Amino acid sequence: RKEVEQDPGPFNVPEGATVAFNCTYSNSASQSFFWYRQDCRKEPKLLMSVYSSGNEDGRFTAQLNRASQYISLLIRDSKLSDSATYLCVVNIRAGTALIFGKGTTLSVSS
Amino acid sequence: IAGITQAPTSQILAAGRRMTLRCTQDMRHNAMYWYRQDLGLGLRLIHYSNTAGTTGKGEVPDGYSVSRANTDDFPLTLASAVPSQTSVYFCASSRGVDTGELFFGEGSRLTVL
Repeated sequence: RKEVEQDPGPFNVPEGATVAFNCTYSNSASQSFFWYRQDCRKEPKLLMSVYSSGNEDGRFTAQLNRASQYISLLIRDSKLSDSATYLCVVNIRAGTALIFGKGTTLSVSS
Repeated sequence: IAGITQAPTSQILAAGRRMTLRCTQDMRHNAMYWYRQDLGLGLRLIHYSNTAGTTGKGEVPDGYSVSRANTDDFPLTLASAVPSQTSVYFCASSRGVDTGELFFGEGSRLTVL
């Protein structure tokens, strides 16, 4: 089993739709969790951290479920500019580098 | 504002040649990383450095070496390039290895023929 797994998609949604991505991780001792965004042929950039209590940033909501070992990202009212690849990122062990999932591709159309 | 600078941005290389990808950051970050990104495989960690003078192996270190002589520079060397090393290489840095925000360079696209 891969350490971090995501549904690759693509998710094709119309503008205004709500879309959710899930990501599972294999190590129950994983320390911290993040979502990154990567635009086509660009470098990844941090979108948001994922906290145990869940957190929201505008139209984006991130959730963590430690019991089931997954994190989620919910995007409400999708915009054309949300089209990108969303990367689930996990810190498996303290003192080690982040591990990236393969990414989920989102395409928002008008 | 520079952040992280990678060079070259693109390179075509004959198999068997030696190649060094350069990475420099001006944010005084302690930790630096090299990832490669391949279609269908995502970003995979090659090597990392928690602080100047130390390095560690990532998921796919074979065929690559790194050094961290100072805080700012973290070059990645392919001693004898092979076609399977054709990829996009991203250098990144962070304040510490346990912090979540990595700052990436724009990537180096390497083709080994």
